[in-house]
Amino acid sequence: EDQVTQSPEALRLQEGESSSLNCSYTVSGLRGLFWYRQDPGKGPEFLFTLYSAGEEKEKERLKATLTKKESFLHITAPKPEDSATYLCAVQASYNTDKLIFGTGTRLQVFP
Amino acid sequence: NAGVTQTPKFRVLKTGQSMTLLCAQDMNHEYMYWYRQDPGMGLRLIHYSVGEGTTAKGEVPDGYNVSRLKKQNFLLGLESAAPSQTSVYFCASNEGGYGYTFGSGTRLTVV
Repeated sequence: EDQVTQSPEALRLQEGESSSLNCSYTVSGLRGLFWYRQDPGKGPEFLFTLYSAGEEKEKERLKATLTKKESFLHITAPKPEDSATYLCAVQASYNTDKLIFGTGTRLQVFP
Repeated sequence: NAGVTQTPKFRVLKTGQSMTLLCAQDMNHEYMYWYRQDPGMGLRLIHYSVGEGTTAKGEVPDGYNVSRLKKQNFLLGLESAAPSQTSVYFCASNEGGYGYTFGSGTRLTVV
């Protein structure tokens, strides 16, 4: 069964304290892995898509990496405005019509 | 450019009542989706559409119906609401395999 597991469930960081969020997945053929940011009361906002092991993408303080079994979202020198829930999702190559989501990591960054 | 618009934003229903949630997108996307989000469960796919006039079942379709009569609109109907359908509902659209664009959600409470 295709599955996405994110860890930790919640993470509290001091401003400037770098860390990483993990997304491990099992899928019968990965077509793409997606990262989203979700603020309270809002819909998820697209961040990155990764397609193959070894691929990396960056946006401001965020960098996403991908291996054959997991993806990491690295947050460098976070700021309070980075506080949000970060969602990971995978798209299987045998069914590209839909995404399978993890339950997310809730990140809080304190000044 | 509004992206994906959901109406209404909030709704309270009594058990057994019916309602329709409307999703409209202005990006000319072929694919549209309805998800529900519950604490600890992540985003779960209810129904989706791969083009005008098409619909397909997702992971949790029971108790819901959908229609895609126009390319830009995707309607989600609850014929007889149950307390188990209390949730936050998100509509999304994309162009085959690329990052989804989500609406801001509809918070539904069934009492």
